[in-house]
Amino acid sequence: GESVGLHLPTLSVQEGDNSIINCAYSNSASDYFIWYKQESGKGPQFIIDIRSNMDKRQGQRVTVLLNKTVKHLSLQIAATQPGDSAVYFCAETTGGGADGLTFGKGTHLIIQP
Amino acid sequence: NAGVTQTPKFRVLKTGQSMTLLCAQDMNHEYMYWYRQDPGMGLRLIHYSVGEGTTAKGEVPDGYNVSRLKKQNFLLGLESAAPSQTSVYFCASSYASSYIQYFGAGTRLSVL
Repeated sequence: GESVGLHLPTLSVQEGDNSIINCAYSNSASDYFIWYKQESGKGPQFIIDIRSNMDKRQGQRVTVLLNKTVKHLSLQIAATQPGDSAVYFCAETTGGGADGLTFGKGTHLIIQP
Repeated sequence: NAGVTQTPKFRVLKTGQSMTLLCAQDMNHEYMYWYRQDPGMGLRLIHYSVGEGTTAKGEVPDGYNVSRLKKQNFLLGLESAAPSQTSVYFCASSYASSYIQYFGAGTRLSVL
């Protein structure tokens, strides 16, 4: 079964509000996590990553939080814009990463005007 | 800099037909991957390659074959297409020193 999953398949927020997308993982050996954004008709695009030895990492308008105790990952998007509408996937890997990423099912983020 | 390029973008096959999907990357990445994406699901790894002439099976390899004769190219073959192989196929590549994978735009395949 899936070792990485998301709590909510669809999330609708008002433009300008902050968004929080959640992800649960079951493999305690996972040591690296990535968030991808996939717009309609396109391939996944890298957003931000975090290693298991970190709790938080910030990028431009995005923050990823990692709680290893409960195996939970979240992506926070500040001041959401229409261009943020997409499906967001969390992915994990263990070891050297050569054997690919394990993806969750994705959350569809909808930005309301 | 094109990144990861997949051809074709769309294809319709009849059951039993064969085809090859081509992936090309111009970033000099060592690793390359093929995933499939089905509705309501995340991407699942079909096959991957850690270098020229080397391939390995992923999570869902049955019904597919791959080849990596050149570092920049990774081919995915379907010898006898089945309706269960209707999906969107994504190729990705990465440096050996990085977990970050860069994806192509995908190939939408329908098998009737």
